[in-house]
Amino acid sequence: DAGVIQSPRHEVTEMGQEVTLRCKPISGHNSLFWYRQTMMRGLELLIYFNNNVPIDDSGMPEDRFSAKMPNASFSTLKIQPSEPRDSAVYFCASTVGQANSPLHFGNGTRLTVT
Amino acid sequence: GQQVMQIPQYQHVQEGEDFTTYCNSSTTLSNIQWYKQRPGGHPVFLIQLVKSGEVKKQKRLTFQFGEAKKNSSLHITATQTTDVGTYFCAASGSARQLTFGSGTQLTVLP
Repeated sequence: DAGVIQSPRHEVTEMGQEVTLRCKPISGHNSLFWYRQTMMRGLELLIYFNNNVPIDDSGMPEDRFSAKMPNASFSTLKIQPSEPRDSAVYFCASTVGQANSPLHFGNGTRLTVT
Repeated sequence: GQQVMQIPQYQHVQEGEDFTTYCNSSTTLSNIQWYKQRPGGHPVFLIQLVKSGEVKKQKRLTFQFGEAKKNSSLHITATQTTDVGTYFCAASGSARQLTFGSGTQLTVLP
C-alpha cells in the first residue's frame, strides 16, 4: 500500500534557481497539504487543496512560492527564485475527508539553497 | 489562526522513566491529534481525540483530552529507546485546519 510519495528526497541548489518539489498523494485522498519544517518555525502549513482546488494559501511565504494540483494524483510546489532562507524540509501530506482529518505525510524533500 | 502551545520543548529521561508532554490552547478545540516524528523521519499519526475528557491508550502511551477541550497530554510509561523522537500535537478549532504545536523532543538515555 503506497503512501504519499515525494520527490526528490534531497535538493541542493544555488540561490536564484528555480526549485520544483513533487508529491503524489495516497489514492482516494481528496485533500493535500504542503508543510515546511525548520528548527526555528516548526511545522508550518503553506497551502492545502481540497478536490484539487486551493482552499487556503495564506501560509505561502511570498510570491516566489506557488503550488499547483492539476489532478487528484499530483501536486507541485515551486520556488522561483530560491533563496538561502528557503532551506528546510518540505512535507506533503494527504487525507480523506475534512481538513482536520488525520494526515499521512510523505518522506519529505530536504531543500538546501546555497 | 489557532494557537497551540506545547511543553516542554525538550525532555531527557533515563530508560524506564515516564514521560509526559502537554498541549494547551486558549480556545476550545474540535479535535486534537498526536504525531510522532523519528529523527530524520516524517510525522506519523498516532491518535485523534474528539470528546471532552476522552482517554485513549496505545500500549504504554496514554492520551487525554481535557474536560474543557482546551488541553491534551501524552504520557509514556516506562520509556524505551524506541520512543525517541519528537512528539507533536495538532489541533483543530473553528478554522478546521490543523495547527501543529512546536513539538517535544524526547531523548531516552540507555
